[in-house]
Amino acid sequence: AQSVAQPEDQVNVAEGNPLTVKCTYSVSGNPYLFWYVQYPNRGLQFLLKYITGDNLVKGSYGFEAEFNKSQTSFHLKKPSALVSDSALYFCAVRDHGGTSYGKLTFGQGTILTVHP
Amino acid sequence: EAGVAQSPRYKIIEKRQSVAFWCNPISGHATLYWYQQILGQGPKLLIQFQNNGVVDDSQLPKDRFSAERLKGVDSTLKIQPAKLEDSAVYLCASSPLTAYNEQFFGPGTRLTVL
Repeated sequence: AQSVAQPEDQVNVAEGNPLTVKCTYSVSGNPYLFWYVQYPNRGLQFLLKYITGDNLVKGSYGFEAEFNKSQTSFHLKKPSALVSDSALYFCAVRDHGGTSYGKLTFGQGTILTVHP
Repeated sequence: EAGVAQSPRYKIIEKRQSVAFWCNPISGHATLYWYQQILGQGPKLLIQFQNNGVVDDSQLPKDRFSAERLKGVDSTLKIQPAKLEDSAVYLCASSPLTAYNEQFFGPGTRLTVL
């Protein structure tokens, strides 16, 4: 069975500082990995994904994530945080070799707060 | 491009009542998902359709939850009878038929069961 862990319930950073939101995963085969963001009273918005190729993936709003196969991690990063980045972030994984197209398993989420 | 539409946005019911949610996916998306998101948790897949067939409903409480996707487009999710623990946000998502594509989510329906 596939699973995702986001070890930090909350991350606090000052505006202008770099941010990292951590994610580790477990799948039986090769993973497809995703990051989504959720603002209050809204659905999830797609940020970026890793399918294959370069380990560093760039996405929306200046976010990027680094795939590390040996550490089974897919941490979300941004060089300079904005107050508007404050939101709930979800990491999700799908087993590349699974038979159920598109079934995602989500982590429990990390609340990111960027202070002015 | 229009996004995933859901209605209603909010619903408050008494326990043991029934409720239905509606979802209209992005045009052309073959796959449709219903998720349950309990406060403080990540979304949990309830059911996945591919066109109008069910691909995965392993986590759907079938004694009280049902879902259908007529003609492979719109979908409805029903709860009958509702329990207190069904209070959650119900998210609908859709995606093209390729496994590596991201899913597009609707705004969700917030259900409160009293």
